[in-house]
Amino acid sequence: AQSVTQLGSHVSVSEGALVLLRCNYSSSVPPYLFWYVQYPNQGLQLLLKYTSAATLVKGINGFEAEFKKSETSFHLTKPSAHMSDAAEYFCAVSGSGGGADGLTFGKGTHLIIQP
Amino acid sequence: DVKVTQSSRYLVKRTGEKVFLECVQDMDHENMFWYRQDPGLGLRLIYFSYDVKMKEKGDIPEGYSVSREKKERFSLILESASTNQTSMYLCASRLEPVWGAASQPQHFGDGTRLSIL
Repeated sequence: AQSVTQLGSHVSVSEGALVLLRCNYSSSVPPYLFWYVQYPNQGLQLLLKYTSAATLVKGINGFEAEFKKSETSFHLTKPSAHMSDAAEYFCAVSGSGGGADGLTFGKGTHLIIQP
Repeated sequence: DVKVTQSSRYLVKRTGEKVFLECVQDMDHENMFWYRQDPGLGLRLIYFSYDVKMKEKGDIPEGYSVSREKKERFSLILESASTNQTSMYLCASRLEPVWGAASQPQHFGDGTRLSIL
């Protein structure tokens, strides 16, 4: 069975500071990994995905994530936080066996940006 | 751009009622999903559908059923609503290419916030 752990239900950073949101996964097969963002009263929007090509993945809004197999991690970073980055962030894993199974999500990290 | 539309943003129903949540996607995607989202629990999969008239239980199917009569529409049904089904419900769709669907992202609607009184 797959699982995702996001460390820290709330993360607070100052505007302009580095953003680091942590995600660790467990999977019995090589995984596909995703980061989604959810703004208040909206659905989830895809930030980026890892599908076994480059280990450093660049996404929208200046975010990127690095897949580290040895650490079973897929942490999300952004060099300089902006007020508009305040939102809920979800890491998710999908198996490589194909099929229409759903994503397994972490519990989410609420990112707070301090002015 | 993929558009997933959920028919209601907010819905208030009473205990015991039969409740229908509707979802429509416009990109001819084979796969569709229903999740519920609760604070501190993230998203949990209720049901998914491979294709028309095909459905599979997710992690928390109890108290729910689904219907997919047309490719673009996936309905979630609460047979007899209870207060513990008060939640945010999210629908998603995904393309299923021949090489496998797992690498494809899911596209989400804006959610339906359902309150059962």
